[in-house]
Amino acid sequence: DQQVKQNSPSLSVQEGRISILNCDYTNSMFDYFLWYKKYPAEGPTFLISISSIKDKNEDGRFTVFLNKSAKHLSLHIVPSQPGDSAVYFCAASGAGGTSYGKLTFGQGTILTVHP
Amino acid sequence: DAGITQSPRHKVTETGTPVTLRCHQTENHRYMYWYRQDPGHGLRLIHYSYGVKDTDKGEVSDGYSVSRSKTEDFLLTLESATSSQTSVYFCATRTGPLSYEQYFGPGTRLTVT
Repeated sequence: DQQVKQNSPSLSVQEGRISILNCDYTNSMFDYFLWYKKYPAEGPTFLISISSIKDKNEDGRFTVFLNKSAKHLSLHIVPSQPGDSAVYFCAASGAGGTSYGKLTFGQGTILTVHP
Repeated sequence: DAGITQSPRHKVTETGTPVTLRCHQTENHRYMYWYRQDPGHGLRLIHYSYGVKDTDKGEVSDGYSVSRSKTEDFLLTLESATSSQTSVYFCATRTGPLSYEQYFGPGTRLTVT
């Protein structure tokens, strides 16, 4: 039962254009969402997050949008750069208390930005 | 960067042998996690710890055990390795209950032949 899904295994974008990575979830108890970026042979690094009480969060070139009614979030990268080429994972966390901050990850999307 | 190291970084072992992977952190973070990454599955939680000697199972805990005798170290043990446990293993830490972000180590690539 995949509670967090990234249905696009890969995405190819031209440098300077917008990259849009999508993520869907099924568990309505998730209340915090995160995006991680992963380069080969390295651990994932935290990129940006959003609480369920918000619908948008920006950090420089990165913006995350959350649509709670659709159980959908997206990561926008504008403008895309070749250094953004990596695997992107979305992750979701349940409410505090006994969840202990456990994260449920999607399968990942490989982003390739062409010069 | 939470000062997380993992050892070994690469290991090849035979089916049926015990294997222990180590995660060491220098930031005194309370929470620690072990994940495995496999193609098509993303990262899946194996076990986690919410304090010294306090551990619990994650999504894919069968065949794995953990121990945490000190804040800085979280050990993952495969009691009898199987080929299905060939994977990349990541350790992660979280500062405390008010923070959701987890910080990951560089990973251990384990191959079971």
